[in-house]
Amino acid sequence: GQQLNQSPQSMFIQEGEDVSMNCTSSSIFNTWLWYKQDPGEGPVLLIALYKAGELTSNGRLTAQFGITRKDSFLNISASIPSDVGIYFCAGRSDSNYQLIWGAGTKLIIKP
Amino acid sequence: EAGVAQSPRYKIIEKRQSVAFWCNPISGHATLYWYQQILGQGPKLLIQFQNNGVVDDSQLPKDRFSAERLKGVDSTLKIQPAKLEDSAVYLCASSFGLRSSEAFFGQGTRLTVV
Repeated sequence: GQQLNQSPQSMFIQEGEDVSMNCTSSSIFNTWLWYKQDPGEGPVLLIALYKAGELTSNGRLTAQFGITRKDSFLNISASIPSDVGIYFCAGRSDSNYQLIWGAGTKLIIKP
Repeated sequence: EAGVAQSPRYKIIEKRQSVAFWCNPISGHATLYWYQQILGQGPKLLIQFQNNGVVDDSQLPKDRFSAERLKGVDSTLKIQPAKLEDSAVYLCASSFGLRSSEAFFGQGTRLTVV
């Protein structure tokens, strides 16, 4: 079946640092989504990507849809304390309505 | 605009008991999803409705889980009987269309089976 590998599993960073995380798929996706989940809340959509090579920004967040259509990257610039949480990637292929989710990247800011 | 409403927020039951969760999606959203999220993992789709019809329930353990969306608006998810491994957060989400990426999630129901 389709699988998503998301890395890193967790990140400890200093406030102000830039952050990068990525997802790779065993198959081709036509949609890549990035969500953030805070404790006790449901995931919130950050960025949606629909085209290979697409680069989209949302404030300090930038995500890219890989050229091979099997990967995606999320970058956060100048991290702030409210960036802590779990970031999930999710992808969808044209053959299936279902979203395939990564296991998440937990972002922790060092005091 | 009101978000996706779920209740209860928390539930503790003993194994072999039954439990039901309720979801009211965003007004006008035809597609409703139930996800199971085990601690440390991403959400796993259990069932997807388009209006009152089931689009995908391939990962729903049908021997113990059931869900309905009778009038195409709110939905209930039931587990009967519950097992220890059902302990998870159950998330409801809704979107405008079947293939819409703009799915909005509720806060979830945290179920603990003891």
